Amino acid sequence: DTGVSQDPRHKITKRGQNVTFRCDPISEHNRLYWYRQTLGQGPEFLTYFQNEAQLEKSRLLSDRFSAERPKGSFSTLEIQRTEQGDSAMYLCASSLLAAGYTFGSGTRLTVV
Amino acid sequence: AQKVTQAQTEISVVEKEDVTLDCVYETRDTTYYLFWYKQPPSGELVFLIRRNSFDEQNEISGRYSWNFQKSTSSFNFTITASQVVDSAVYFCALSVQDGTASKLTFGTGTRLQVTL
Repeated sequence: DTGVSQDPRHKITKRGQNVTFRCDPISEHNRLYWYRQTLGQGPEFLTYFQNEAQLEKSRLLSDRFSAERPKGSFSTLEIQRTEQGDSAMYLCASSLLAAGYTFGSGTRLTVV
Repeated sequence: AQKVTQAQTEISVVEKEDVTLDCVYETRDTTYYLFWYKQPPSGELVFLIRRNSFDEQNEISGRYSWNFQKSTSSFNFTITASQVVDSAVYFCALSVQDGTASKLTFGTGTRLQVTL
């Protein structure tokens, strides 16, 4: 297992379209996090899964955002009706309990 | 609420100079963890160190060293004899046991540019 994988690395979409990102965590990690990073800022927490249960969502996660982690393995983050303000880097991280996090390389979303 | 402040937006040094990146944090929790991450242009966040709130010992790892002072709520990072490969954005982050999440609160980052 080589770390946290995210797909795609880059996504350009037209405003109003739906997009879906995928994260494959380190296999033995039970915790999975999604963060969003805009230009010049640090990553901001979006949501957290422990196994398949989504236990916390940030107020940043509007109704247009939905995340899933079926069977406690990979996770998907979907954004419906994208807006230009959704343009950002979307980072996924996984961890075992509260130990150190491992981040993926991120998906850079550009909404035009 | 937690807060992490990295007052230095950008630092430029010449190779072989020492450089210190500042980090000040705020939390009311007594149990917390502090982190430093490196983000090269490729975008991946590379873990550098994790320190818990009960361990104020300074740590050295090669050219990297960290100074944790609870009295001033600071967790500063020093690179000795900087190299061009150290050029990146460095983030300080804080994690508390908030429910079950232990999510990270990041600072805004310090961009380090090391030139020849």
